[in-house]
Amino acid sequence: DAKTTQPNSMESNEEEPVHLPCNHSTISGTDYIHWYRQLPSQGPEYVIHGLTSNVNNRMASLAIAEDRKSSTLILHRATLRDAAVYYCILRWGGSNYKLTFGKGTLLTVNP
Amino acid sequence: DAGITQSPRHKVTETGTPVTLRCHQTENHRYMYWYRQDPGHGLRLIHYSYGVKDTDKGEVSDGYSVSRSKTEDFLLTLESATSSQTSVYFCAIRRGQEDSPLHFGNGTRLTVT
Repeated sequence: DAKTTQPNSMESNEEEPVHLPCNHSTISGTDYIHWYRQLPSQGPEYVIHGLTSNVNNRMASLAIAEDRKSSTLILHRATLRDAAVYYCILRWGGSNYKLTFGKGTLLTVNP
Repeated sequence: DAGITQSPRHKVTETGTPVTLRCHQTENHRYMYWYRQDPGHGLRLIHYSYGVKDTDKGEVSDGYSVSRSKTEDFLLTLESATSSQTSVYFCAIRRGQEDSPLHFGNGTRLTVT
């Protein structure tokens, strides 16, 4: 299964944009890129996913490189509630897919 | 909470005893998953189900069994609990079609003494 590489940690200031990078150089053509986040003492929460085109939703934007070997999760204005571990995951397995979580990026948001 | 209830929320048990964790969904979705989360390892898939009586192993299935006799319940059993199974266990469901995301429960914290 294709793996992802993320920085262990990042810091941001409140109200500023945050760009969380993810490398996935072995991605296959049918792999979807999923992002989840996990707040302290909670289960993971879905953020966004995409295949080839950039995606936007109410939580974040996902920018996917043209060669699909990397992607960036963009939080447009970080808040203290965005402090969490962010996971970038490649979805593999077709209709019976499974998600393999790595260690993610711990985002700290400073007031 | 995505219509997922995990029970119990906390449990302390002794080594060698059987333990069953329950995941209940209210929405009749086909796919259900059990993950465990440990410091330094992130989340690891134990077992998953793609329908009633249809289950498959994940990456850390040794020492665990599952059952799904009805759509709404997915049970995870530790036949003989060991200290290495002390962990936080998360259940997840997948709504909808092939690229739908997972929705997680709030977890069960299991301590094996």
